Amino acid sequence: AQSVTQPDIHITVSEGASLELRCNYSYGATPYLFWYVQSPGQGLQLLLKYFSGDTLVQGIKGFEAEFKRSQSSFNLRKPSVHWSDAAEYFCAVGGPGGSYIPTFGRGTSLIVHP
Amino acid sequence: DADVTQTPRNRITKTGKRIMLECSQTKGHDRMYWYRQDPGLGLRLIYYSFDVKDINKGEISDGYSVSRQAQAKFSLSLESAIPNQTALYFCATSDVNRENTIYFGEGSWLTVV
Repeated sequence: AQSVTQPDIHITVSEGASLELRCNYSYGATPYLFWYVQSPGQGLQLLLKYFSGDTLVQGIKGFEAEFKRSQSSFNLRKPSVHWSDAAEYFCAVGGPGGSYIPTFGRGTSLIVHP
Repeated sequence: DADVTQTPRNRITKTGKRIMLECSQTKGHDRMYWYRQDPGLGLRLIYYSFDVKDINKGEISDGYSVSRQAQAKFSLSLESAIPNQTALYFCATSDVNRENTIYFGEGSWLTVV
């Protein structure tokens, strides 16, 4: 069965610092991978996704993520964090075929200090 | 206007009452989902539907029921609400022809007192 682990429940960074949020997945084949962001009081917005091809994917709001098959990871990065990036971030894994439903991690809460 | 619309956005109800959360979408997607979000537990799947005549239980379906009235409409019911069903509920959609990328509604806060 597919699964997602986000090892960090909370991450605190200073504004302007770089950010990396970790995501590890378990999946039997080439996965479909997603990152979502949930701002306070809001729904989940898709940041980026990976299906195939270039393992470094660019998303919205200056985020990027790198798929590393050997490490079963899909970590989210941003070179310089803004205060408005404070939010909950969710990683998800899915797959091709009609029966697959993406599985979500438990989320990482990002706190940004001024 | 949002592509995935949930109503109501907020509701307080009493224990034992029946409550329905409604979802409609304009994305033309075939698949629809209901998730529940609790702090520290992430998103948990309640029910999902691959098309109008298809309904499937997710990991936490007990105490809930759903109805897929049309391709664009998917409602979630709590037949007899209890306090531990207090949570944020999300409706979502996806298109199997677009890698099943999931798109979420804005959520419905439900408080059971």
